[in-house]
Amino acid sequence: DTAVSQTPKYLVTQMGNDKSIKCEQNLGHDTMYWYKQDSKKFLKIMFSYNNKELIINETVPNRFSPKSPDKAHLNLHINSLELGDSAVYFCASRGGRGLTYEQYFGPGTRLTVT
Amino acid sequence: AQSVTQPDIHITVSEGASLELRCNYSYGATPYLFWYVQSPGQGLQLLLKYFSGDTLVQGIKGFEAEFKRSQSSFNLRKPSVHWSDAAEYFCAVTNFGNEKLTFGTGTRLTIIP
Repeated sequence: DTAVSQTPKYLVTQMGNDKSIKCEQNLGHDTMYWYKQDSKKFLKIMFSYNNKELIINETVPNRFSPKSPDKAHLNLHINSLELGDSAVYFCASRGGRGLTYEQYFGPGTRLTVT
Repeated sequence: AQSVTQPDIHITVSEGASLELRCNYSYGATPYLFWYVQSPGQGLQLLLKYFSGDTLVQGIKGFEAEFKRSQSSFNLRKPSVHWSDAAEYFCAVTNFGNEKLTFGTGTRLTIIP
């Protein structure tokens, strides 16, 4: 039983294309996140949604747009992909706000822009 | 702003030897602290967490960590490492009411036979 799943696991595309990454959690959590991990393994938060409401929006180019159709799903759409977008993108989820603070991570999506 | 420092970028340990990975945090309020492990090509797995209470916390895979407020540290330890422990280890911090986890830059652990 996969707790936090992401598709696809690998994504290779050319500059200028538009792509989406999907995330689903079956933990019943209220909050979901997107992180970007660069080549040096540094993890940077991008967005967070709580019950479909955007609660964290870090300094991310507006080419990146998250969408949460329901609290179990958080998708990431990226327009006009650039070389610098190449990274591993992780989805994570967390239990109810104020109740727990640990986050559970998906397996990651390795995006390569050529 | 809160921050996490993992001073060791890379550590090499012999299999069966003991391990200590360092983590220092900077935050004024009571921190909530975590250690995560990332095996090659995998996502992050929670090893252990500290919110309050006993300052020595036990985690999965035989790991433990000790919270020392006076030193602003939360070091991860294991008495005897196994080859399967080779991975990247991340320390993270947050606090009450904060939606964000702040991660350290990670420590890569290599195990030699």
